Amino acid sequence: SYVLTQPPSVSVAPGKTARITCGGNNIGSKSVHWYQQKPGQAPVLVIYYDSDRPSGIPERFSGSNSGNTATLTISRVEAGDEADYYCQVWDSSSDHRGVFGGGTKLTVL
Amino acid sequence: QVQLQESGPGLVKPSQTLSLTCTVSGGSISSGSYYWSWIRQPAGKGLEWIGRIYTSGSTNYNPSLKSRVTISVDTSKNQFSLKLSSVTAADTAVYYCARAGGGSGSSFDYWGQGTLVTVSS
Repeated sequence: SYVLTQPPSVSVAPGKTARITCGGNNIGSKSVHWYQQKPGQAPVLVIYYDSDRPSGIPERFSGSNSGNTATLTISRVEAGDEADYYCQVWDSSSDHRGVFGGGTKLTVL
Repeated sequence: QVQLQESGPGLVKPSQTLSLTCTVSGGSISSGSYYWSWIRQPAGKGLEWIGRIYTSGSTNYNPSLKSRVTISVDTSKNQFSLKLSSVTAADTAVYYCARAGGGSGSSFDYWGQGTLVTVSS
């Protein structure tokens, strides 16, 4: 089965750039989506199809995907960006199973 | 604006069947091309996709849960449902319903607020 690997935690100072990676076998051939989840809340889509932003998501959020790694980049990080972030793909080789990464806790120092 | 709302018992006994319903408002569940999914999250852990049902009624399930899961849709009530049989404490989690577009590899663009289900005697 397809596995997505994320670092458990990333720390960044306010105003700096945070990069959260999502590793998977040839993930560059798949569409990657990213979700932000704050405590006690449902996940919110922040990046879809590798690099598109839903309306209402700040331009500070961007994404890329190539080879075996997809990356969520958050520029000019703010305190309000502190949350868990999950990457997600569909595994068409396994009955079209939805697959989530293990999640990354972003801490704003 | 599409909204999803989960409902169902918050407490289920071991070996019994967990049953949840997701009510969709702000749009017809049978219009357009969408996948309607169930996703769960044990306390302090990550997200696990359970399965989905397409507008047409076709389903896909997580292989790890497939033998215990049934997802169905009731278009007359604008709802879709989850049944998970033979539950154990490991099935204790917040359960979310979510919508994904019908295109290949679509994202979950709308989520319910989630409902906590505890499996305990």
